[in-house]
Amino acid sequence: EAQVTQNPRYLITVTGKKLTVTCSQNMNHEYMSWYRQDPGLGLRQIYYSMNVEVTDKGDVPEGYKVSRKEKRNFPLILESPSPNQTSLYFCASTPVVGYEQYFGPGTRLTVT
Amino acid sequence: AQTVTQSQPEMSVQEAETVTLSCTYDTSESDYYLFWYKQPPSRQMILVIRQEAYKQQNATENRFSVNFQKAAKSFSLKISDSQLGDAAMYFCAYRSAETSGSRLTFGEGTQLTVNP
Repeated sequence: EAQVTQNPRYLITVTGKKLTVTCSQNMNHEYMSWYRQDPGLGLRQIYYSMNVEVTDKGDVPEGYKVSRKEKRNFPLILESPSPNQTSLYFCASTPVVGYEQYFGPGTRLTVT
Repeated sequence: AQTVTQSQPEMSVQEAETVTLSCTYDTSESDYYLFWYKQPPSRQMILVIRQEAYKQQNATENRFSVNFQKAAKSFSLKISDSQLGDAAMYFCAYRSAETSGSRLTFGEGTQLTVNP
């Protein structure tokens, strides 16, 4: 089954404790993105990647890191999480410009 | 930079009735794509409908159709014969066809309630 998977689905952590949210797609898509969703703001792009070893900032990259060492994986790293990073996070992939994005199931992150 | 605005934070509709969700966007580009996504309580993002800017014909998918007004930069979603399962948050989204990358720019969302 073609899909985008994210882990964990839920995470509660404390300020400053490094964490990684994994994202994997099995559709051989070139493009992958991370978004965060906050009430009243919709979804905003954090980072995106056009291919292996090619990443770029989105609208809200501060406090986040990403890497793309393999085509299928695009982890999101929070090296020192803060409470303002409490949000719902989505990973997405797409094969070419113009196609809809395939979204993962979301990760609910709470930073206390 | 492109922006997408959904001016209706909440909407409600009676089951079997028709409802229209509004979306406006701002861009200087001529080639782009517009999408409506549905997010039910499960939080999964589900593509409802897609419109290519170069196509004059409005897209339709079963009970869902759009009214795409390129000059007015308006992209509304009409849901006919509303069903209880249509209750969800709906997001309008824009994607450039002229620049590289895969960014979707989203509106703020409209929470749709369907009353039995």
